[in-house]
Amino acid sequence: NAGVMQNPRHLVRRRGQEARLRCSPMKGHSHVYWYRQLPEEGLKFMVYLQKENIIDESGMPKERFSAEFPKEGPSILRIQQVVRGDSAAYFCASSLGSYTDTQYFGPGTRLTVL
Amino acid sequence: EDKVVQSPLSLVVHEGDTVTLNCSYEVTNFRSLLWYKQEKKAPTFLFMLTSSGIEKKSGRLSSILDKKELFSILNITATQTGDSAIYLCAGIPSNTGKLIFGQGTTLQVKP
Repeated sequence: NAGVMQNPRHLVRRRGQEARLRCSPMKGHSHVYWYRQLPEEGLKFMVYLQKENIIDESGMPKERFSAEFPKEGPSILRIQQVVRGDSAAYFCASSLGSYTDTQYFGPGTRLTVL
Repeated sequence: EDKVVQSPLSLVVHEGDTVTLNCSYEVTNFRSLLWYKQEKKAPTFLFMLTSSGIEKKSGRLSSILDKKELFSILNITATQTGDSAIYLCAGIPSNTGKLIFGQGTTLQVKP
């Protein structure tokens, strides 16, 4: 059973460009969570999505960041007009059912903004 | 504000030693606490603890939760170099999928 898949694993962008990060949950999982790990900091929650719905986006910056989890296809975390402070590791996790279930993490996407 | 604090932040031991990692939490409407092991990539799930006083065990790793004192410990016995990693503790409130992580404990096991 394949785990949570994320791509790309590494992404380099120049300031002002857009970054798109993809996450395919484990088979059968319909709940997806995004976390960000800044250098020398712990993992911070960003957003929680179910298919076609955003459940909790309380950790998402108000501007430039958006997330979706369409009916078909992977979840996408989109960062517009990236700045150097966006450089971080972005992890996706998925769970089988409701938020009471264990979250399993993907390998992360390391975003570097030049 | 909800927070999770881990100690120590880093630890160096020799193979065969036993280590205890600490995690204290202040989480509104606390439901469960999770432990993960993070090597170079994905945090790997270790334990989910919901009930107080019940030890969970997996091989050389064990963990227990104290909901009265608001802390958990992760024990690793007979450590091996492969145990070297960052160990993450996270609290999860009720009615939310938001994991609240501590800073992590970096464990280095020397041969």
